[in-house]
Amino acid sequence: DARVTQTPRHKVTEMGQEVTMRCQPILGHNTVFWYRQTMMQGLELLAYFRNRAPLDDSGMPKDRFSAEMPDATLATLKIQPSEPRDSAVYFCASGRTLNTEAFFGQGTRLTVV
Amino acid sequence: AQKVTQAQTEISVVEKEDVTLDCVYETRDTTYYLFWYKQPPSGELVFLIRRNSFDEQNEISGRYSWNFQKSTSSFNFTITASQVVDSAVYFCALSEVQAMEYGNKLVFGAGTILRVKS
Repeated sequence: DARVTQTPRHKVTEMGQEVTMRCQPILGHNTVFWYRQTMMQGLELLAYFRNRAPLDDSGMPKDRFSAEMPDATLATLKIQPSEPRDSAVYFCASGRTLNTEAFFGQGTRLTVV
Repeated sequence: AQKVTQAQTEISVVEKEDVTLDCVYETRDTTYYLFWYKQPPSGELVFLIRRNSFDEQNEISGRYSWNFQKSTSSFNFTITASQVVDSAVYFCALSEVQAMEYGNKLVFGAGTILRVKS
């Protein structure tokens, strides 16, 4: 049963520390998305990739966030330095072709204290 | 700009009742896709359905049905004979067709919390 895999599932870190979240998209999917979910803002698109190339990262705070796809099987989202306001659930999703549904991972719940 | 509005923040029903979740969208594109996702208490987002803007036929899948009306820019979701396991947050989402090199992205509504009581 193919699924998007995210690690870690939970992360508690102190303010100022670097946080790296990882995502393994479904094999064969060529589009990868990073979303952030908070009570206040709901689901926000942070960045997305097509064929490993970043297409839009306008939703990301550029000074502290970075997203990469080192290869087709791995997407990473880094926050450095982390701040308490970054506390949220971060979802990765992947899709096969344009405009088909995106399949979501289980999310990484990040708490920055 | 694309926008999705789910005006119902929270709905509570008793098991076996029918319930409709509303979704209204805004887009300048003539070609677009609409989606519904379910987020149960466990937290993952589960894909339910995708419709394209050229297909206004209603769809039924078991106890779930969807009513797409372009005239009112609505894509409503009905659960018939609701069950406790239907309790979740339901999200409506919109994707506009863009040039191939720009890919695709989903814009989500705020979600509707559905509570089904036994």
